Amino acid sequence: KAGVTQTPRYLIKTRGQQVTLSCSPISGHRSVSWYQQTPGQGLQFLFEYFSETQRNKGNFPGRFSGRQFSNSRSEMNVSTLELGDSALYLCASSPEGQGAYEQYFGPGTRLTVT
Amino acid sequence: SQQGEEDPQALSIQEGENATMNCSYKTSINNLQWYRQNSGRGLVHLILIRSNEREKHSGRLRVTLDTSKKSSSLLITASRAADTASYFCATGGMLYNFNKFYFGSGTKLNVKP
Repeated sequence: KAGVTQTPRYLIKTRGQQVTLSCSPISGHRSVSWYQQTPGQGLQFLFEYFSETQRNKGNFPGRFSGRQFSNSRSEMNVSTLELGDSALYLCASSPEGQGAYEQYFGPGTRLTVT
Repeated sequence: SQQGEEDPQALSIQEGENATMNCSYKTSINNLQWYRQNSGRGLVHLILIRSNEREKHSGRLRVTLDTSKKSSSLLITASRAADTASYFCATGGMLYNFNKFYFGSGTKLNVKP
């Protein structure tokens, strides 16, 4: 099976702009989670989508939003970009089911806000 | 918060030596997972240990879990230069069917050839 893919891999934006990042999960995986990774804050959970519904949300402002499509592909959007939004954004997918299961991560999108 | 905290923050060893990393967390968990991240790339899942398990092995990896102390350790035996990476523990919540994990700050491992 193909792994988790994220596009684009690198992105440079200006303060005040908005950005949309895309994630395609492993085929058959219905859960997609997003994380922000920065040197100062580490890995922080943004949100999780399951069957097109946001199931969990981290402590990020409303400028960060996401959605999931019927084919499980997911997008996240950041509006009114700030310098502090510069980070590696990671997407992870996992199979449905009860209990604990591992997450499969994509290579990430490196966002730089200038 | 269920966030795991790794110790040490950085570890430098010679090839062939063993590397031990520890993770502590705050609340009851369903499972604990270890991930590896090579510089600036995505995370790779290494091992998952459930709250009713005490030890798990995978190749050169050995993970222990002590729920009474709320701690876990990852042992990499006979380390190789290719093991150089950051290692994160992640704690899985108690809500079944939910995928919310809390990652620790990571241990940066440097294996010198």
